[in-house]
Amino acid sequence: GENVEQHPSTLSVQEGDSAVIKCTYSDSASNYFPWYKQELGKRPQLIIDIRSNVGEKKDQRIAVTLNKTAKHFSLHITETQPEDSAVYFCAASRLNQAGTALIFGKGTTLSVSS
Amino acid sequence: DAGVTQSPTHLIKTRGQQVTLRCSPKSGHDTVSWYQQALGQGPQFIFQYYEEEERQRGNFPDRFSGHQFPNYSSELNVNALLLGDSALYLCASSYRQGPEAFFGQGTRLTVV
Repeated sequence: GENVEQHPSTLSVQEGDSAVIKCTYSDSASNYFPWYKQELGKRPQLIIDIRSNVGEKKDQRIAVTLNKTAKHFSLHITETQPEDSAVYFCAASRLNQAGTALIFGKGTTLSVSS
Repeated sequence: DAGVTQSPTHLIKTRGQQVTLRCSPKSGHDTVSWYQQALGQGPQFIFQYYEEEERQRGNFPDRFSGHQFPNYSSELNVNALLLGDSALYLCASSYRQGPEAFFGQGTRLTVV
């Protein structure tokens, strides 16, 4: 089955710096890759996603890139702010009629200091 | 517009007991998935329900079972609780098994 590895496990940056979180997946049939942000004691929130027919997607300060050949995808946050501090999870899914299970990485704790 | 709601928010059970967790999907959603999130880990997929049937299942024992009702709400049942079942149980809903999943706030289960 699918396995998703996420690095780094912790990341500390200064406010205004950029942050990059990387994930690799094992199942070449996976075709949907979302990123979730989970603040302490709160629910995971979908912040951006990308499908396998697209190489890059941007939403304001957040961008995701996908390299299908290498089977890895990355989250890029520019101009980080203290409110970006949270745990970020990447996930992969094989979208088909059987279901849309999300397989998550172990998470990256991002700390943005002002 | 109500998001995904779960009940109860916290629960303490004794080893060997049984527990039922409940989930109401976001308005307009008809698919419910359940995840287990151990402390410091990413969510792990338990199963997904669509049209009142279990459509996909993760690597969890038969002690974990579920149900989906005609109004799309869902229950997760865990029998013969083990200490290792202590975790945050998350419910996520989507439309027609679509990939954009929205999570509830979770039920924190503690087994003592």
